[in-house]
Amino acid sequence: GAVVSQHPSWVICKSGTSVKIECRSLDFQATTMFWYRQFPKQSLMLMATSNEGSKATYEQGVEKDKFLINHASLTLSTLTVTSAHPEDSSFYICSARDLVSGGSNQPQHFGDGTRLSIL
Amino acid sequence: GESVGLHLPTLSVQEGDNSIINCAYSNSASDYFIWYKQESGKGPQFIIDIRSNMDKRQGQRVTVLLNKTVKHLSLQIAATQPGDSAVYFCAAKRDNFNKFYFGSGTKLNVKP
Repeated sequence: GAVVSQHPSWVICKSGTSVKIECRSLDFQATTMFWYRQFPKQSLMLMATSNEGSKATYEQGVEKDKFLINHASLTLSTLTVTSAHPEDSSFYICSARDLVSGGSNQPQHFGDGTRLSIL
Repeated sequence: GESVGLHLPTLSVQEGDNSIINCAYSNSASDYFIWYKQESGKGPQFIIDIRSNMDKRQGQRVTVLLNKTVKHLSLQIAATQPGDSAVYFCAAKRDNFNKFYFGSGTKLNVKP
């Protein structure tokens, strides 16, 4: 159980385009999902907390207009990198917690990440 | 704030030996801790968790020890196998907070 699916797994696109990444909880409902960014050989940096039916909460230093988050249902959150540039190239990972059935002390379950390369 | 860090950035062990990966956290209000394993090009995979009302928890070949006095967490892997080679992260959460804070990671190399 507790499977999180992320799509696409790899994206290569031109500078200036927008890229949408999807994160789905396959077998549980996720009122909250999280988006992380990870640079090579570094830890996960939390970008934002995605809340179903409301606005996302962004971490300090993360541009809201650059990284648009939508969490329209209990099983889907999307991250759109708008007008992407080479410095946005990174590994983006989402996670979700099954707080509905499990309570507050439940682990985050991660997707397999999206490698974004901006040319 | 919260910081979670690891003592050793890399660890090399011989196949069959036991591995110990350490982690320190700064916020004494942290009440829930998780160890994750991340293989190259993949998302972190849950290994084991522990709540602050415990000081030890065992899984299959893994044991997590929690010392709240010194705010230290460790992951012990018994009979380390080549498939255990990965980067290991610890993560900590504070009660009533939804976010986890991740350590910087330890790369485990298992030599055959």
